[in-house]
Amino acid sequence: QVHLVQSGAEVKKPGASVTVSCKASGYTFTDYYMHWVRQAPGQGLEWMGWINPKTGGTHYAQKFQGWVTMSRDTSISTAYMEVDRLTSDDTAVYFCARGRELERLRIDYWGQGTLVTVSS
Amino acid sequence: DIQMTQSPSALSASVGDRVTITCRASRSISDWLAWFQQKPGKAPQVLIYKASTLESGVPSRFSGSGSGTEFTLTISSLQPDDFATYYCQQYNFYPWTFGQGTKVEIQ
Repeated sequence: QVHLVQSGAEVKKPGASVTVSCKASGYTFTDYYMHWVRQAPGQGLEWMGWINPKTGGTHYAQKFQGWVTMSRDTSISTAYMEVDRLTSDDTAVYFCARGRELERLRIDYWGQGTLVTVSS
Repeated sequence: DIQMTQSPSALSASVGDRVTITCRASRSISDWLAWFQQKPGKAPQVLIYKASTLESGVPSRFSGSGSGTEFTLTISSLQPDDFATYYCQQYNFYPWTFGQGTKVEIQ
């Protein structure tokens, strides 16, 4: 049974950084990509990018290049997403989501989400 | 970026109704389209991928169709568990983009 378990809610001040983790279980971590998607309060879904856990290769939406970093630790089947220089616009629920490599990386499972609140 | 436009943004329906949601892409995405259902406070769940393929475990009352720029999600007989927000998402071009969502409410 596939599970993606994310770290807990965070409250950060503007200008700070935050790292969200996503621990995978129930499958071989390196056989699937990991996407990150965010959702501002009451808003829709915004795709941020993906990481290939096997190689560490990444692809970011242009909007997030330079201030979002995706990484992984294969020894503990965990993906990470770091957002730098937080502003109030980054207040959102951040989701990790598994991507199927042989199906154009489509998403099949999601983590439960992590609320990041940016407030002074 | 590819714009995904869903219609309607919200609808009210009764249990047993047939419901159709439309998603239009700003240019052709072939059939690289997925539909997700999201309930309040929960993560989205995939219903349909590649425009018309039902995800394993999803009830057969859900169906998808379309290709190119116009797509539909149909719920053949609305059930109480189906009241939620539905999103389409294209995965043909980067950045991947989602529709703005369609909220299905109880009439």
